[in-house]
Amino acid sequence: GAVVSQHPSWVICKSGTSVKIECRSLDFQATTMFWYRQFPKQSLMLMATSNEGSKATYEQGVEKDKFLINHASLTLSTLTVTSAHPEDSSFYICSATSGREYNEQFFGPGTRLTVL
Amino acid sequence: GQNIDQPTEMTATEGAIVQINCTYQTSGFNGLFWYQQHAGEAPTFLSYNVLDGLEEKGRFSSFLSRSKGYSYLLLKELQMKDSASYLCAVMDSNYQLIWGAGTKLIIKP
Repeated sequence: GAVVSQHPSWVICKSGTSVKIECRSLDFQATTMFWYRQFPKQSLMLMATSNEGSKATYEQGVEKDKFLINHASLTLSTLTVTSAHPEDSSFYICSATSGREYNEQFFGPGTRLTVL
Repeated sequence: GQNIDQPTEMTATEGAIVQINCTYQTSGFNGLFWYQQHAGEAPTFLSYNVLDGLEEKGRFSSFLSRSKGYSYLLLKELQMKDSASYLCAVMDSNYQLIWGAGTKLIIKP
């Protein structure tokens, strides 16, 4: 149990375009979903935390107008990178908690974004 | 401020034992997690400690001392597939995960 999927697995886009990444909890209802970014050889950086039906809480330094997060249901959250630029190229990972046990975060497989 | 420290890189030999240390200073404590992350993949859960002591799970064990703000991950009978980054993360009083930078473990034959 506790499977999280992400789509797409990888995406290549031109500078200036917008990219949407989906994160789904497949076999549980996710009370909270997290979006992380990871640059090569660096640790995970939390971008934002979102609860179903409410606005996401962004970490300091993360532009909320550039990284749009929608958490419309208990099983789906989306991250849209608007007007992507080469510096946005990174590994984007979502995770979800069910609120049970010790709030373990279950991670999606990640999405590798390359902006040309 | 909140801080998680772990070594950047460690090297060990196949079949041997390695201990990866993690020290932390956080606002509150609701448990410590260890995750394994292979290059290009998302992290996978290894262990969770919230009480002092040792938790054993197969070849992997994790230890916690809350008074010392210290944990370690012990890997026994190392295999080549154990080459990965090992991430220490502490859940603070707001139930937010604070992540260490990760320890890259290199296993040599």
